[in-house]
Amino acid sequence: GENVEQHPSTLSVQEGDSAVIKCTYSDSASNYFPWYKQELGKGPQLIIDIRSNVGEKKDQRIAVTLNKTAKHFSLHITETQPEDSAVYFCAASIRDGATNKLIFGTGTLLAVQP
Amino acid sequence: NAGVTQTPKFQVLKTGQSMTLQCAQDMNHNSMYWYRQDPGMGLRLIYYSASEGTTDKGEVPNGYNVSRLNKREFSLRLESAAPSQTSVYFCASSERRTEAFGSGTRLTVV
Repeated sequence: GENVEQHPSTLSVQEGDSAVIKCTYSDSASNYFPWYKQELGKGPQLIIDIRSNVGEKKDQRIAVTLNKTAKHFSLHITETQPEDSAVYFCAASIRDGATNKLIFGTGTLLAVQP
Repeated sequence: NAGVTQTPKFQVLKTGQSMTLQCAQDMNHNSMYWYRQDPGMGLRLIYYSASEGTTDKGEVPNGYNVSRLNKREFSLRLESAAPSQTSVYFCASSERRTEAFGSGTRLTVV
């Protein structure tokens, strides 16, 4: 089955710097890759996603890149702010009968130091 | 429009007790999911329901049962709680691929 690995597990940056989180997946049939942000005591919230027919997608300070050949995708946050501090999860979507299932990475705790 | 609503938010159980976690969504989504979140292990799928009337096992179904009561509601039941089931439980719903999550239930089994 699908396996998603995520690195690093923790990341500390200075405010204004960039942060990069990387994920790899194993199933070449996966074709949808969302990223979720989870703040303390809350559920994960979708922040950006990318489909396999696209190599890069950007939304203001957040961008995601996808390399289908190498089976890896990355989240890039530029000009980080203290409110970006949270746990970030990547996921890969696999089709299972009538529905899609998400396989999650183990998360990255991002700390933005003011 | 509340999205995905989970109850309760916190619960402490004694080993062997049973309880049901409730989840409801108001987005008219067909698919619903239950996950557990443990430190260092991300979110693991327990059960899911592709549509009203269907349920299927996920990655870690042992010790749990589910009921898709109608299109809106998907409950998770622990028949005989064990300390290994101490976790944070999340319900999610989706239409197509994007999943929306509830705020979670923190369950402690002592």
